[in-house]
Amino acid sequence: AAGVIQSPRHLIKEKRETATLKCYPIPRHDTVYWYQQGPGQDPQFLISFYEKMQSDKGSIPDRFSAQQFSDYHSELNMSSLELGDSALYFCASSLAALNNEQFFGPGTRLTVL
Amino acid sequence: SQQGEEDPQALSIQEGENATMNCSYKTSINNLQWYRQNSGRGLVHLILIRSNEREKHSGRLRVTLDTSKKSSSLLITASRAADTASYFCATVWNTDKLIFGTGTRLQVFP
Repeated sequence: AAGVIQSPRHLIKEKRETATLKCYPIPRHDTVYWYQQGPGQDPQFLISFYEKMQSDKGSIPDRFSAQQFSDYHSELNMSSLELGDSALYFCASSLAALNNEQFFGPGTRLTVL
Repeated sequence: SQQGEEDPQALSIQEGENATMNCSYKTSINNLQWYRQNSGRGLVHLILIRSNEREKHSGRLRVTLDTSKKSSSLLITASRAADTASYFCATVWNTDKLIFGTGTRLQVFP
């Protein structure tokens, strides 16, 4: 069965550069979530989209933005990167409903030097 | 953590033993979910228990939920070396975003 696809899997950037992470949800899933997991930390919710509209927002810095496109894939754009942005970034998708499981992608490991 | 604590933070056991991990949370919930994460890898969904359920089983996994105490436990029976991973609980309330606990690192020795 198709899973959530994230690209790239690894990304190395310098401070103050920009990065774009991509997420391709499971086919027919209408909701995408982004989470950030720092080293040794639990995942933290950043933002979610339902049917291409932002549905919820968590602790996402103003330097970050995201959108969901007509084909339901999503992109997380990160500007003015800081050392503290180094983390695993997970995308998850689901069919919108409170008691539905979220399926996670393998993550993008971002390293900011 | 935004949600609560998991206990213990780390657990080491021998193969064949049972592993019990506890999760406490702060808010009301619609459901509570358990996830597994191998080192630096993706999160794998294990089990979901709804707020009106008290116990759920899936293979070697048993999850309990006590909403009066705002706590849940995950029991892995007859553990295997391949169960070595971090285990996170996550809650859902009002919106469908997951709020994760701090995680338990489980080490199962052969």
